[in-house]
Amino acid sequence: AQSVAQPEDQVNVAEGNPLTVKCTYSVSGNPYLFWYVQYPNRGLQFLLKYITGDNLVKGSYGFEAEFNKSQTSFHLKKPSALVSDSALYFCAVRTTSGNTPLVFGKGTRLSVIA
Amino acid sequence: NAGVTQTPKFRVLKTGQSMTLLCAQDMNHEYMYWYRQDPGMGLRLIHYSVGEGTTAKGEVPDGYNVSRLKKQNFLLGLESAAPSQTSVYFCASNPGTGGIANTEAFFGQGTRLTVV
Repeated sequence: AQSVAQPEDQVNVAEGNPLTVKCTYSVSGNPYLFWYVQYPNRGLQFLLKYITGDNLVKGSYGFEAEFNKSQTSFHLKKPSALVSDSALYFCAVRTTSGNTPLVFGKGTRLSVIA
Repeated sequence: NAGVTQTPKFRVLKTGQSMTLLCAQDMNHEYMYWYRQDPGMGLRLIHYSVGEGTTAKGEVPDGYNVSRLKKQNFLLGLESAAPSQTSVYFCASNPGTGGIANTEAFFGQGTRLTVV
C-alpha cells in the first residue's frame, strides 16, 4: 500500500527567505505525486504535480518541487517566502496503475514571519 | 461550473443519531473520495469510488457507509454517530477514467460535523 510521510509538523521561515517543506513516499511501482495547500476553513487547493519527465516541477504561486526517485522524496520549495504563503501543506501520492486512491500525508503547517 | 459541492456545511448530531453527507460534482469525474481531517492526523481516506455503482474501503471505513448510485453523487452515511466521528469531512473527485491516474483531485469546501 502507498504511504506519505511529512516529517515536520511545523516549518517557520522569515519572509523573503527560501522555504522547503519535506515529503517522502512509499509506493509499489511508479508514483504520481501531488502538493496541495489548505487555507483556514477552506478546502484543499492543488499546487503542483509530478507525473513523468523533468524532476523539477513548477506550480502555482511560485512554488516548485523536486522529485528524487532514489531518495523517494518530493520536497516543496519556494525561493522567497511570503506571509501569505502561511497555510497547511499536504503531500499526496497514488500509483500510476490500477484503481488506487489518492493518499495524503499528515500535513505541514508553514508559518512565514514578517 | 460549481465543481465539488458538499451538503451540509455544518451539523451537530447527538450520539446515536444518523445522517447522510452529500457530495455532488458537475465535472463528469469517475473517481470520488471521502476523507476526514483531524488535527495532527492529516487527511484519512474513509471510502472511495472508481465509478458509478462501485465503492471501496479506505483507511478508516468503520462506522461509515457510502453509495454511488449516480455518477455525479457520492453519499457518506453515519448510521449511529459517535463522538469519535467529530471531524471535518472532505469530498474530492478526479477524472481518473481508463486508468488515467495523473490528474489532480478537486475538493469540496468541507463539512464540519460535531457529535455530542
